[in-house]
Amino acid sequence: DTAVSQTPKYLVTQMGNDKSIKCEQNLGHDTMYWYKQDSKKFLKIMFSYNNKELIINETVPNRFSPKSPDKAHLNLHINSLELGDSAVYFCASSAVSFNEKLFFGSGTQLSVL
Amino acid sequence: SQQGEEDPQALSIQEGENATMNCSYKTSINNLQWYRQNSGRGLVHLILIRSNEREKHSGRLRVTLDTSKKSSSLLITASRAADTASYFCVSTSYGKLTFGQGTILTVHP
Repeated sequence: DTAVSQTPKYLVTQMGNDKSIKCEQNLGHDTMYWYKQDSKKFLKIMFSYNNKELIINETVPNRFSPKSPDKAHLNLHINSLELGDSAVYFCASSAVSFNEKLFFGSGTQLSVL
Repeated sequence: SQQGEEDPQALSIQEGENATMNCSYKTSINNLQWYRQNSGRGLVHLILIRSNEREKHSGRLRVTLDTSKKSSSLLITASRAADTASYFCVSTSYGKLTFGQGTILTVHP
């Protein structure tokens, strides 16, 4: 009964590959997010989706594309992976955009070799 | 985006002691939240304090907010080994969330 679940937990891949990370929330929330946490633990928002509409895209390369088949899912697709993409990616959701508390998934550790 | 600042970056204490972490931010805010992150896990929401509030309690947690100094503090009383984690403050300003760099708390049994 995990509230926000993302898969896979670990992803090891070669440079140039295309990969996807899936995220699902069963909280009935309207807004979902993707965050990137670097090696220094800084968290940076990448995308948020509210009712299937992208409302934030913070200078993220267009190799990254969020896809939301429905309100409960927000997947992250990455094309042509680069070494610098190695990080932990977190999915999150909230009932209301931004002003209320976020519920985070457990993270996907991406390692690009 | 600009990061908030947390102080100290790392804190090591004995079980039973109190732990205080501070956070500063740069713009006016709607609210400020504190999250905990255990190693290898996602962030877990602890407490939210609104801009018109000065202090809030939740169990062993006490959060203060000083909007004139643009700062907040998180106090964990009677710490336990299970409190070992990273703690992040998150300020919300007109729809934009800004994460602090985090404080790594280690509580020794």
